[in-house]
Amino acid sequence: QKEVEQNSGPLSVPEGAIASLNCTYSDRVSQSFFWYRQYSGKSPELIMSIYSNGDKEDGRFTAQLNKASQYVSLLIRDSQPSDSATYLCAVSYSNSGYALNFGKGTSLLVTP
Amino acid sequence: GAVVSQHPSWVICKSGTSVKIECRSLDFQATTMFWYRQFPKQSLMLMATSNEGSKATYEQGVEKDKFLINHASLTLSTLTVTSAHPEDSSFYICSARSPDTQYFGPGTRLTVL
Repeated sequence: QKEVEQNSGPLSVPEGAIASLNCTYSDRVSQSFFWYRQYSGKSPELIMSIYSNGDKEDGRFTAQLNKASQYVSLLIRDSQPSDSATYLCAVSYSNSGYALNFGKGTSLLVTP
Repeated sequence: GAVVSQHPSWVICKSGTSVKIECRSLDFQATTMFWYRQFPKQSLMLMATSNEGSKATYEQGVEKDKFLINHASLTLSTLTVTSAHPEDSSFYICSARSPDTQYFGPGTRLTVL
């Protein structure tokens, strides 16, 4: 069974700090990796996608992928209270039509 | 770009009735759409993969005769919950693939009394 694991949190960081979110996956044939943010009662919104090993930066967000360790992370710099949400790690597989397999999410709380 | 809409955004129905949820990709064509379900404090679980012009592929444990999926065009997929029961109450979210990223609709909250 393909598993995507995340620490459920809550992860609490002060405003302005770096939030570090981690995710591990079990299937070595995983193709693409995504981070989504979900506010309570809303649908997920895409933050970052990453497909190859290394870092990918977009504004305050940096995704890191290490396929050898089956590990993907998301760093949020200069965290803001508006970043408080649940962050979902998702993995897609080409042999399943690119459907997403989600982790249970990490709840992030940024305190003023 | 990459906007996906869902209708209705919420629905309350009586047990035993059927409910249809529409998912539309507004500014792109999606050969593949996905239907997810999310129960409170849980993550999204894939229900089925919908391909335009062909039968949907359902995940294990999802009853295809209860959750009818139709993907009649490149911009529209529908999910019909037949003979809904209170345990079907959930947040139903569709997504559309373009081309290797999924964009999610705003979700439909279904409450079955």
